[in-house]
Amino acid sequence: EDQVTQSPEALRLQEGESSSLNCSYTVSGLRGLFWYRQDPGKGPEFLFTLYSAGEEKEKERLKATLTKKESFLHITAPKPEDSATYLCAVQIETSGSRLTFGEGTQLTVNP
Amino acid sequence: KAGVTQTPRYLIKTRGQQVTLSCSPISGHRSVSWYQQTPGQGLQFLFEYFSETQRNKGNFPGRFSGRQFSNSRSEMNVSTLELGDSALYLCASSGYTGELFFGEGSRLTVL
Repeated sequence: EDQVTQSPEALRLQEGESSSLNCSYTVSGLRGLFWYRQDPGKGPEFLFTLYSAGEEKEKERLKATLTKKESFLHITAPKPEDSATYLCAVQIETSGSRLTFGEGTQLTVNP
Repeated sequence: KAGVTQTPRYLIKTRGQQVTLSCSPISGHRSVSWYQQTPGQGLQFLFEYFSETQRNKGNFPGRFSGRQFSNSRSEMNVSTLELGDSALYLCASSGYTGELFFGEGSRLTVL
């Protein structure tokens, strides 16, 4: 069974304090690993898709990396507006567009 | 470019009633997926439609159903509502890149 585990469940940072979120996965036939950001009461906002081990993608203060067993979302010098829940999801080769999500990491950045 | 549109955004029903939720995908996207999000279970896959055909189905009872029209718009229906069906129902569309883009969701409360 496909499994996605995110850690930590919650993370509090001071503005400017860099850190990383972890997403470990166990799947057969990974097609892609997705990162989303979700604000309270809203739908998930697409951030990145990673397709192969060693791949990296960046967007503003966020950088996502992928290995064969896990992905990291690095947040450099975060700002209060980066506060949100960050979701990781995997898509496997035999399941169309279906995503299996982790439970998310709730990030709070204090000014 | 307009995003994924879901209606209604909020609704309240009582146990035993049924509900229909609507989703208009991003123009040109032919795949529409539905997810249920609750605090306890996170994001759970309901089903996926592609070119009016159900391509994938999650582990939900038969009370949950959906369909897709020729213009790619999709509806999902939940019959005989239970208290546990209270959730945020999210629709996502995807095109040839395989990346999923979510709408803002329909918040269903069952009393």
